[in-house]
Amino acid sequence: KQEVTQIPAALSVPEGENLVLNCSFTDSAIYNLQWFRQDPGKGLTSLLLIQSSQREQTSGRLNASLDKSSGRSTLYIAASQPGDSATYLCAVGFDRDDKIIFGKGTRLHILP
Amino acid sequence: KAGVTQTPRYLIKTRGQQVTLSCSPISGHRSVSWYQQTPGQGLQFLFEYFSETQRNKGNFPGRFSGRQFSNSRSEMNVSTLELGDSALYLCASSLEKPFYGYTFGSGTRLTVV
Repeated sequence: KQEVTQIPAALSVPEGENLVLNCSFTDSAIYNLQWFRQDPGKGLTSLLLIQSSQREQTSGRLNASLDKSSGRSTLYIAASQPGDSATYLCAVGFDRDDKIIFGKGTRLHILP
Repeated sequence: KAGVTQTPRYLIKTRGQQVTLSCSPISGHRSVSWYQQTPGQGLQFLFEYFSETQRNKGNFPGRFSGRQFSNSRSEMNVSTLELGDSALYLCASSLEKPFYGYTFGSGTRLTVV
């Protein structure tokens, strides 16, 4: 069964720190992986999309890496700010049945 | 360009009623996917439509159905509503298939009383 896991479920860090969010998946046959943020009661905002042939993507203070062989992706946030507080979700597109499965997210709180 | 538009934003229905939610994708996007989000289960895939055809389906009962029109707009319908159907329903559009990445709408918050 294809599963996507995000650990930890919640994280609090002081403002200014660099941090890493983790996403793991059980089947390495994927076609892409996408990171989103979600603010309470809102829809999902796309942060970074990594195709299976890529190792990483960067946007501003965000860097996402992908290691298919180990079934892992990380989202690195540099110099965290209170505005980064949100839930971060990863979504994995699996080749086998062409489905996209989401992790349950990491709820991030940046302490001012 | 305009984003993904979902209507209505909020909805309150009574058990046993039915409901229809609407999603207009980004112009040029032909794939529309629907998700249900609840605090306990997270994001659960309902179905995906492409060129007016259901291309993929999640594990939801037959009370959940959808369709897509020739202009790529999509609707989902839930019949015989149950309390457990209370959730945020999210629609995502993609260029041709989710391979190209999703863009989500703001969602419809459905409350069943």
